[in-house]
Amino acid sequence: QVTLKESGPVLVKPTETLTLTCIVSGFSLSNARMGVSWIRQPPGKALEWLAHIFSIDEKSYSTSLKSRLTISKDTSKSQVVLTMTNMDPVDTATYFCARMRLVGFESDVWGQGTTVTVSS
Amino acid sequence: SYELTQPPSVSVSPGQTASITCSGDKLGDKYACWYQHKPGQSPLLVIYLNTKRPSGIPERFSGSNSGNTATLTISGTQAMDEADYYCQAWDRSTANVVFGGGSKLTVL
Repeated sequence: QVTLKESGPVLVKPTETLTLTCIVSGFSLSNARMGVSWIRQPPGKALEWLAHIFSIDEKSYSTSLKSRLTISKDTSKSQVVLTMTNMDPVDTATYFCARMRLVGFESDVWGQGTTVTVSS
Repeated sequence: SYELTQPPSVSVSPGQTASITCSGDKLGDKYACWYQHKPGQSPLLVIYLNTKRPSGIPERFSGSNSGNTATLTISGTQAMDEADYYCQAWDRSTANVVFGGGSKLTVL
């Protein structure tokens, strides 16, 4: 059974750096046809893709957020980490990680999501 | 940047067919997928590679993609299908995954 689970702080202050971790099970981060993506959803708004990483260490970032994002993986720990710098209240959202398939870039299994509030 | 446009809301009577569109420049040249998202839950993939259904997704869900429009069709719509639906595609030119703005499906 494939599962993903996000973890991270519930509350961050403006200008701080957010670090989110996604622990995966049921598949390997070394699988050439699978990767992990991060997606967020601000309250009442649409889904927004942030970044993804594949086994060959290929990384892609949202053009609008690229300067603030870093994605990395530790295959031995089955984890993917996303950092987002200079957090702002508009970054308040539920953040999801999901398994992504290489052919169509669809996310076929999602974590439960973790809610992050940015407030002083 | 590449954009996908969906109608904010779609209404359908129980048992009827619901069609949700997703428009983007030459979208038919890309692979489109669709997610169902219910409040308090994680999004669920219902269509991928334009027309394929993941295991466990009812046959009443189908997809198409041609020209500038991808369409999610739900035949014999049930109350349980009420949710937000998002289309998604990969834009090779920017190496970005793009989501549509979402469509709220109401079954009434």
